[in-house]
Amino acid sequence: DIVMTQSPDSLAVSLGERATINCKSSRSLLYSANNKNYLAWYQQKPGQPPKLLISWASTRESGVPDRFSGSGSGTDFTLTISSLQAEDVAVYYCQQSYISWTFGQGTKVEMK
Amino acid sequence: QITLKESGPTVMKPTQTLTLTCTFSGFSLSTSDVAVAWIRQPPGKALEWVALIYWDNDKRYSPSLSSRLSLTKDTSKSQVVLTMTDMDPVDTATYYCALRGSEDGPFDSWGQGALVIVSS
Repeated sequence: DIVMTQSPDSLAVSLGERATINCKSSRSLLYSANNKNYLAWYQQKPGQPPKLLISWASTRESGVPDRFSGSGSGTDFTLTISSLQAEDVAVYYCQQSYISWTFGQGTKVEMK
Repeated sequence: QITLKESGPTVMKPTQTLTLTCTFSGFSLSTSDVAVAWIRQPPGKALEWVALIYWDNDKRYSPSLSSRLSLTKDTSKSQVVLTMTDMDPVDTATYYCALRGSEDGPFDSWGQGALVIVSS
C-alpha cells in the first residue's frame, strides 16, 4: 500500500496570509511514461462531501480560485493557499491514484 | 450536470449486510475509462477508499475489506450497488460514491454521502 502522510495535522492562519500543506508519499507518484504525478487535492467543509481542487499535482480544476496552487513531484507535494479567505476554512486531503487509491489523514485549516 | 446520490439504511445491527445504492446522472458507466468508487469516512476521521467499478465491469476492492465486499452495476438504471457483509460498529461512517471521470484520474464529482450507523 502507498501511505500518504500530511503535515501539519492542523494550522491556524490569519486572514490574507499564506497557508502551506505538505503531503508525502511512501513511493514515487510520478509515472515516467507520461510525466504525470498521480496526486490530487480535495477540500472538505463541515457537513459537505470533498471537493476536487487540484489534479495531477498542479492542475487547478475549473472554477477553483487561483489562490490555490499545487506543486511537487515524486514523493513530496504541497498545497498552497496564497491569501487565506474565510471560506477556505476546511479540511484538506491529498490522495494518490498511482497504485489503487489512498488518502492522507487530512489537514485542518482554521482562521487565526 | 453530473450528480450522484447514495441511498441505503441509516441504522443497522452488527452482523447484518449493508446494501448501498449510488444513483447517478450526467454520465454513463458504459463510457470508456469511466469508473464509480465508494469512499467512506468515520465520524471525525479521514477518508478511506472502499471499492471501485470500471466501465468494463472490472472491479477493485480495498484489501482490508475485500472479503466482505461486492460491487454491481446496472448501466440502464445508472446505478452502482455496494454490498458489505458482517457489519460492525467500526464500519459506522458516511459512505460516499464518487465519479472517476478519466483514466487514472481523481474523483471528480461526489455524492452528498449516506451516514450508516452500526449499533446493537
